[in-house]
Amino acid sequence: DTVLTQSPALAVSPGERVTISCRASESVSTRMHWYQQKPGQQPKLLIYGASNLESGVPARFSGSGSGTDFTLTIDPVEANDTATYFCQQSWNDWTFGGGTKLELK
Amino acid sequence: EVQLVESGGGLVQPGRSLKLSCAASGFTFSNYGMAWVCQAPTKGLEWVASISTGGGNTYYRDSVKGRFTISRDNAKNTLYLQMDSLRSEDTATYYCARGGDVMDAWGQGASVTVSS
Repeated sequence: DTVLTQSPALAVSPGERVTISCRASESVSTRMHWYQQKPGQQPKLLIYGASNLESGVPARFSGSGSGTDFTLTIDPVEANDTATYFCQQSWNDWTFGGGTKLELK
Repeated sequence: EVQLVESGGGLVQPGRSLKLSCAASGFTFSNYGMAWVCQAPTKGLEWVASISTGGGNTYYRDSVKGRFTISRDNAKNTLYLQMDSLRSEDTATYYCARGGDVMDAWGQGASVTVSS
């Protein structure tokens, strides 16, 4: 199985820039996608194919990477970005990262 | 508007069965691969199973192979997950998701609790 590793938590101040990383145990080409999940809600797609912004998602969100290393960037961070962010690969079946909980200071 | 509505969750004893349904609307269901994703309480997301547009190809995570069956009825715009031989570790919220690659729409989830 392709294992995706994310740092568990980050804390930033509103207005700052934050990068959330995801490392794959093997290459997944650009078949990496990012989701946002707020407490009590279903996940929401933010970025697909490593760098493509999903329709309706603010341009403050962006994604980059290929192979094994990927990042989700939020710039600037807003108060309502408090959530857990998951990466997911679809190159070798489907797996999710453990999630990064973003908290605002 | 794309809508996915899960049903069929509940409390079930270990070893018993449960069948989840996901009613789809707002898009051409037969054009999309579909998936089930679960989330145990306070845990992360885990892919469970996926199915191709016509239902001819199915894929499962190792821990549910031989116990769970994903299927679909394109005439009824409905996705299913038959869960047999349930274990306590299957306790989770089960989400239906649209997409055979990226999952671009999700239902609100159905809660499954496996306990005696």
